[in-house]
Amino acid sequence: AQSVTQLDSQVPVFEEAPVELRCNYSSSVSVYLFWYVQYPNQGLQLLLKYLSGSTLVKGINGFEAEFNKSQTSFHLRKPSVHISDTAEYFCAVSEGNTGNQFYFGTGTSLTVIP
Amino acid sequence: GAVVSQHPSRVICKSGTSVKIECRSLDFQATTMFWYRQFPKQSLMLMATSNEGSKATYEQGVEKDKFLINHASLTLSTLTVTSAHPEDSSFYICSANRGAGETQYFGPGTRLLVL
Repeated sequence: AQSVTQLDSQVPVFEEAPVELRCNYSSSVSVYLFWYVQYPNQGLQLLLKYLSGSTLVKGINGFEAEFNKSQTSFHLRKPSVHISDTAEYFCAVSEGNTGNQFYFGTGTSLTVIP
Repeated sequence: GAVVSQHPSRVICKSGTSVKIECRSLDFQATTMFWYRQFPKQSLMLMATSNEGSKATYEQGVEKDKFLINHASLTLSTLTVTSAHPEDSSFYICSANRGAGETQYFGPGTRLLVL
């Protein structure tokens, strides 16, 4: 089974500053990688995903992530955050096209400070 | 993106009663649906995987007789919390995908409070 590690449980950052949320996974097999955002009392919304191709993936709301196979990482970045980006962010991994199950990280709470 | 709905969004019930939560994929056929439970400020815990027309697969530690799952069609799965107790109070989220390796699309969640 996979394990997904989000090293930072809480990340405070000032408005308009850049941010990076880290995600590492354990498996060496082919994986699909996802970042989801969750606003209070809501379900999860897909930010971006990596299935194949270019390792730099661009998503909604100005977020992007880079797949690094050698480091088994899929860190999420945004060059300039807004107050509205305050939310919980989850990294998830599924084991390629043979796997249904998603493995979630423990989440990173991003707080944007005015 | 694909849309998944859940109903109800919020429910309060007395201890000992049963509560049914519906999960629907609105614009696609979902071969597989998943049920998660989320405690405050924690990640999602997978409870079970539901495949249309077959029995659900429960994760270790999840009581299948307490959390009844029915996936009657390719667009509907239901989770019934039987004889609910206060410790069952939680946020329940479903998701659906078209097939193995496909993106999971999440419902908005159901907040259950058992008094």
